[in-house]
Amino acid sequence: QVQLVESGGGVVQPGRSLRLSCAASGFTFSNCGMHWVRQAPGRGLEWVAVIWYDGSKKYYVDSVKGRFTISRDNSKNTLYLQMNSLRAEDTAVYYCARDRPPGMGWDYWGQGTLVTVSS
Amino acid sequence: SYELTQPPAVSVSPGQTARITCSGDALPEQYGYWYQQKPGQAPVLVIYKDSERPSGIPERFSGSSSGTTVTLTISGVQAEDEADYYCQSADSSSTLFVFGTGTKVTVL
Repeated sequence: QVQLVESGGGVVQPGRSLRLSCAASGFTFSNCGMHWVRQAPGRGLEWVAVIWYDGSKKYYVDSVKGRFTISRDNSKNTLYLQMNSLRAEDTAVYYCARDRPPGMGWDYWGQGTLVTVSS
Repeated sequence: SYELTQPPAVSVSPGQTARITCSGDALPEQYGYWYQQKPGQAPVLVIYKDSERPSGIPERFSGSSSGTTVTLTISGVQAEDEADYYCQSADSSSTLFVFGTGTKVTVL
């Protein structure tokens, strides 16, 4: 069965860095685009970044450009989000999500990992 | 930046029909998607490509599109449908993705 398991969240001081991981299993990871989506406490969903199935293209929401980097290792079936220069407003639950063959939606999501940016 | 606008809340009695709208300038060119999220859980895809239903999603969930608006309809609402619902789409370049503001559906 398809599984996405995030890890790497925690409490971090403003200005510091954190790397999130999303371990995928149960499907051909290298065939799927992948997204990171976050949700601040009590707030709505916010798309963060996408990476193409082969890593050739990456796009980001404006608020994280230049600070966050999405990457993947298809040999390890793992998606990453490197987060630098963290701010209080980056505090959120971060989800990874699988993008089905183009246009068919994000059909599997991880359980989320909480990132808290606080001094 | 591109935005999708939803009503904050919809209330409906069991067995009635709930309709949630989502408006965005690029929706005539881009598909709309709908996700259901219950407290403490990850989102679940309930509609893709404006009106397609993934396997396992009950038939009471349907979607439609007209101009700059996509609509999620829940027919014969059940207590278990109480949740937050988010529309999602992309900008005209298909390189930036966005969620709607979210709608809380309350079953009276």
